[in-house]
Amino acid sequence: GMPVEQNPPALSLYEGADSGLRCNFSTTMKSVQWFQQNHRGRLITLFYLAQGTKENGRLKSTFNSKERYSTLHIKDAQLEDSGTYFCAAEDTNAYKVIFGKGTHLHVLP
Amino acid sequence: DMKVTQMPRYLIKRMGENVLLECGQDMSHETMYWYRQDPGLGLQLIYISYDVDSNSEGDIPKGYRVSRKKREHFSLILDSAKTNQTSVYFCASSLRQRQNTLYFGAGTRLSVL
Repeated sequence: GMPVEQNPPALSLYEGADSGLRCNFSTTMKSVQWFQQNHRGRLITLFYLAQGTKENGRLKSTFNSKERYSTLHIKDAQLEDSGTYFCAAEDTNAYKVIFGKGTHLHVLP
Repeated sequence: DMKVTQMPRYLIKRMGENVLLECGQDMSHETMYWYRQDPGLGLQLIYISYDVDSNSEGDIPKGYRVSRKKREHFSLILDSAKTNQTSVYFCASSLRQRQNTLYFGAGTRLSVL
């Protein structure tokens, strides 16, 4: 399968709702990054994790290298959270960063 | 303010013309990258540069070449552009190759007619 699989491919939720995005990895990854691509196409770095959990405002991300997954939780979704979210993982053996295909998030008023 | 700058932002070229995409970063990062983004395919790595004159092919290098003569600049060159090279191109940099955050430029939207 794909080295980095993102789920769901698309998601709609109302303002104020909470939600979670997930990346599964086919192999052990050394680190993961999460990016938001906004409506202008700009890629904004959200998190970099080599292990564990990080939080920033309404966003929280977890990376479990052994279980081969990472999650991004959005709390109290706002309209400006709309966009495409990518995870990108660093392959331990291949020394490169592999992107998932993204989750398109649409926050509804 | 840490920044990766891409020029130009938009470019229209005819098939067979040469294309030069420029990228600069002001963070003294060692490693720089060129990706292209196409609908449904996510971001694909074209080339990676570990430092000046130390470049390596990514996943889709065919039809592209790169140049890194100064640490802060990384160029992507398309010799004789093809219509299937119409895409959005992103440059990124990181402090070192491994275990470092990627910082992206704003992207260059290239149309090859």
